[in-house]
Formats: sequence, structure tokens, C-alpha cells
Amino acid sequence: EVHLVESGGGLVQPGGSLRLSCAASGFTFSDSWMSWVRQAPGKGLEWVATISQDGSATHYVDSVKGRFTISRDNAKNSLYLQMNSLRTEDTAVYYCARWANLESWGQGTLVAVSS
Amino acid sequence: DVQMTQSPSSLSASVGDRVSITCRASQGIRNDLGWHQQKPGKAPKRLIYSASTLQSGVPSRFSGSGSGTEFTLTISSLQPEDFATYYCLQNNSFPRTFGGGTKVEIK
Repeated sequence: EVHLVESGGGLVQPGGSLRLSCAASGFTFSDSWMSWVRQAPGKGLEWVATISQDGSATHYVDSVKGRFTISRDNAKNSLYLQMNSLRTEDTAVYYCARWANLESWGQGTLVAVSS
Repeated sequence: DVQMTQSPSSLSASVGDRVSITCRASQGIRNDLGWHQQKPGKAPKRLIYSASTLQSGVPSRFSGSGSGTEFTLTISSLQPEDFATYYCLQNNSFPRTFGGGTKVEIK
């Protein structure tokens, strides 16, 4: 069974940084593209980023380009999202998901950007 | 970017009703569309992929149809556990884009 567990969320001031992690199990992590999706409070779902199996290809939504970096460590079965220059509008629950079509989802981690 | 227009944004229905939700893509996306269900306070869960293929373990009362620019999610007989918000997602191209969501409420 696919199991995805996010961590690293918390409260951060505008302009600050945070690194999210996603621990994967139950499947061959190195064979899967992986994605991050977020949901602002009371709002819909927004795709954030996707990374290929070996990390050679990455894609981002325009609003995070140049600020967020998706990466992975296949030896540790882990996915990451480095978030810099955070803005209040980045406040959301962040989910990791398997594949670029979001076959399976983690439970999410809350990021709150506020002064 | 492909824009996904989902309708209605909300609906009220009774247990046993047949319910349909539509997503329209701003350009053709073949059958590269999935439907995801989200219950309050929970992570989303994929129900359907490739427009019409049921995810393993999903009840057969859920079905999907469509290709190109017009897609439909149908629940043949609404059950109490189906009250949730539903989202379509196009996975034809980057950036991936979701529909705005449809909240299915109890009448």
C-alpha cells in the first residue's frame, strides 16, 4: 500500500524559508514521478510542482518559480520542497502525491506565513 | 495553460439521487483527466483516471466519461459517504490545473 507522510510545516514570517519533506513507502519510489499540491484555507486545490524519477526534470506553477525548489533523494525514499521568500499567499496545507496525475496523496502538512 | 471550468460549484442532493458534475477544458486534453474526492479535513483521494477508469477499490456507482474538452463524473446513486467536494485535474500538460471544485451537500 502506498504511504506518503509529509512533515516540516509550521509558522514562518514573510520572507522566511521552510523545507518540507515527504517520506514514501509501499512502492518503488525511484520509479515514480512525484508532485506537491497545496490548498489555501477554504480554497480549492492548486498544483505546485512535479519532479521526474531521477530529478532531471522539474515543473512549477508560475507563482512559485524562482522561490520554491522540488527535489528528491531516492536512496532515502524522500521528496522535498524547499520554499524561500515565503509570502502570506503561500499559506496552505501542502500535500505530496505520487506521479504527475496524483494517483495517491499524503495527509498534508500546514504552512502558515504570517508576521 | 489549460483552464478547467467545473460546474456546478455546488449542488444539493438526496441519498439515492443520480448526480453529474462536468469539467470543460479550454483546449483538447485527449482523455488525460482525473477526478478526486475530498472530505472535510481530509486529503483528497483519486476516484477516476484517464477520464473513465475507476481507481481500484472505488465503488462502481462512480463513473467518468468524456474526451477532448468535455468530461463528466456521475454518481449513479448517492450514498451518505459521498457528500464531499469533487475536483477534476487535467494531466495532459504542465502546469497541471484543477477545476474549481463541486461541493455535494445533503438536501
